[in-house]
Amino acid sequence: TQLLEQSPQFLSIQEGENLTVYCNSSSVFSSLQWYRQEPGEGPVLLVTVVTGGEVKKLKRLTFQFGDARKDSSLHITAAQTGDTGLYLCAATPLNRDDKIIFGKGTRLHILP
Amino acid sequence: DAGVTQSPTHLIKTRGQQVTLRCSPKSGHDTVSWYQQALGQGPQFIFQYYEEEERQRGNFPDRFSGHQFPNYSSELNVNALLLGDSALYLCASSFPSDSYEQYFGPGTRLTVT
Repeated sequence: TQLLEQSPQFLSIQEGENLTVYCNSSSVFSSLQWYRQEPGEGPVLLVTVVTGGEVKKLKRLTFQFGDARKDSSLHITAAQTGDTGLYLCAATPLNRDDKIIFGKGTRLHILP
Repeated sequence: DAGVTQSPTHLIKTRGQQVTLRCSPKSGHDTVSWYQQALGQGPQFIFQYYEEEERQRGNFPDRFSGHQFPNYSSELNVNALLLGDSALYLCASSFPSDSYEQYFGPGTRLTVT
């Protein structure tokens, strides 16, 4: 069974601080997506990473895919209260007959 | 450009009843996937529909069934509801059919009492 482990589960920091959250697995994936979900809403796609070692930036958010395509990180610089939410990673297995899997998410709370 | 829409937004049912949830995909999308998200968990894949057929299925019992219509909209049906079926049910659409990038609707919150 393929699993995606996200850490930490919860993170509460002050506005202006930097943070990194992680998405890890023992399996290799063909791609990985990061989503942000706010209460009462569906997840919103932030980014897709495909190539091992790939780095993508979205304003203050930096996403990295591990060289072996088994893990990923999301780094937020100078966090803002608007960054508060549940950050989910989702991965597409190499075997396209296998289903997409989601991690349980990191719940991020940015304090003003 | 309309995004993914779902109805109803909230629903309360009693154990043993049946429920139907509806989803309209994002304009131009032909593939619809359904997910169950329990409180504090990530979404769990239920199944995916493409060309009006179930193409992929997760580890959910046969009580969970679905349908896709010619206009690409979709329904999720759950029979013999259990308390454990209480969750947020999310619909996601994508295009082309093998795209891994999904656009989610706001979900239907189902409560089973």
